[in-house]
Amino acid sequence: KNEVEQSPQNLTAQEGEFITINCSYSVGISALHWLQQHPGGGIVSLFMLSSGKKKHGRLIATINIQEKHSSLHITASHPRDSAVYICAAFPYPIQGAQKLVFGQGTRLTINP
Amino acid sequence: EPEVTQTPSHQVTQMGQEVILRCVPISNHLYFYWYRQILGQKVEFLVSFYNNEISEKSEIFDDQFSVERPDGSNFTLKIRSTKLEDSAMYFCASSAPGTSGRDEQFFGPGTRLTVL
Repeated sequence: KNEVEQSPQNLTAQEGEFITINCSYSVGISALHWLQQHPGGGIVSLFMLSSGKKKHGRLIATINIQEKHSSLHITASHPRDSAVYICAAFPYPIQGAQKLVFGQGTRLTINP
Repeated sequence: EPEVTQTPSHQVTQMGQEVILRCVPISNHLYFYWYRQILGQKVEFLVSFYNNEISEKSEIFDDQFSVERPDGSNFTLKIRSTKLEDSAMYFCASSAPGTSGRDEQFFGPGTRLTVL
C-alpha cells in the first residue's frame, strides 16, 4: 500500500486551463514537498509546506495536515508546464536527516 | 545559485562490476541523501547521512551498497557488485539544518546507471 497517493496519474489539458493535482497520505507527516521532474529526469523542488498555502508565480500549493491532503494548482497553464509533478512527504518521527516518501507522480501535458 | 552536482550523468557497467556515483552537495548543507528511481516507478529512499555516519537506510540499501564522505565536499554511493536490477536513476540530495529535522531538500540532476 502506497503511503503517498497522487491523482490523477495522467492529466492532459489545453493551454490556459486551471490545473489541480492532488496528494493524499496515510501516515502522519510533518511537511510535504512538491517537486517537478522534467523529461531529462532532473528533480526540482517547487514548494515545501507544513500548513496553509504557498504561492510562487502561477503555482499554488495548499496543505491540510489534519485531513492528510495537499493540492498543487497551476493557473493559466502553459506547454512549458508539461512535466511530472511529484509530492513527497516527511513522515514522523522527525529526525535529523529526514527521508522523503514519494508519491508515484502525475504526468501533466499541456497542449498549445 | 548553489546547486547539487552529480557525476557521471550516465554510467554503463557490466553486471558484477563495482560502480561509484559521485555527488557534491551544497557547501553549507549537513544532511545528505541518496534516492533511486527505477524507470517508470516512483522515487525511493536509499540512505541518509549526517555527521559522517548513516542516519537511516532502507531495506534496499543492503551490504552491496555503501556511502562515504571522503573529503569536505564529495558524497559517494558505491555499489560493490552491480546487478541488473540496480539499473535506475540515482539522485543525490542535501539539506541544511534548520530548527526542525525537516528541511527543504535540494536534488542533483541524477546519474543514470545502466547494468548490462
